[in-house]
Amino acid sequence: AQRVTQPEKLLSVFKGAPVELKCNYSYSGSPELFWYVQYSRQRLQLLLRHISRESIKGFTADLNKGETSFHLKKPFAQEEDSAMYYCALGEGAQKLVFGQGTRLTINP
Amino acid sequence: NAGVTQTPKFQVLKTGQSMTLQCAQDMNHEYMSWYRQDPGMGLRLIHYSVGAGITDQGEVPNGYNVSRSTTEDFPLRLLSAAPSQTSVYFCASSYSINSGGEQFFGPGTRLTVL
Repeated sequence: AQRVTQPEKLLSVFKGAPVELKCNYSYSGSPELFWYVQYSRQRLQLLLRHISRESIKGFTADLNKGETSFHLKKPFAQEEDSAMYYCALGEGAQKLVFGQGTRLTINP
Repeated sequence: NAGVTQTPKFQVLKTGQSMTLQCAQDMNHEYMSWYRQDPGMGLRLIHYSVGAGITDQGEVPNGYNVSRSTTEDFPLRLLSAAPSQTSVYFCASSYSINSGGEQFFGPGTRLTVL
C-alpha cells in the first residue's frame, strides 16, 4: 500500500539555521509528490510539487527515487516559516495520501 | 471568488445523530474531495468526486455518504454519528484530475461527537 512517512512530529530550529523536514514514501509506480503547508489560522495550501522543480519561499525539495525520499529544505529559516508541513503522494486521479505532518517552530 | 467554503465551522453531535457537512466551490472545479484530519495521522481521504454525478470511496469511507448533483456542491453526510468520527473535516477541490495535484482546501469543520 502507498504510504508517506514524516518521522518528526515536531521540529524546532533557530532563525537563520538550516531546516530539513524529512519525508519518505512507498509507492510501486512513478510518484507525484507534494509539500503542503498550513500556517496558523490559515488554510492548508500547496507549497511545492516535485514535478515543478521550483523554489518557493526559499524551500526546495528533491525527489530521490533510490532512497524513496522527498525531503524539504531551506538554508536559512525565518520566523514566518513556523507552520504545519505535510508531505503528500498523488495516487492517481488526484487522490492524495498524506504523511502525519511535522510542526515546524522557528525560534527567534 | 470565495474559493472553497465549508459550513458549519464547528458542530457538536450526540452519538447516533445524523448531519450534513456542506462544501461548495465557485471555481468551476471538476474534482472535489473530503478528508478528515486526526492528530498524528495526517489527512485521510474519505470520498471524492471527479465530476457531477460521479463519486467514489477513499481510504476511510465507512459511516459517510456523499453525492454530487452539481459541479459546485459536494456535501458529506454522517448517517449515525459515532465518537470515532470526532475530527476536523476538510473539503478540497481541483480544476481537473490532471492538473498536477494542486488542491484548494476549505477552512475545515471541527466536529465533536459525544
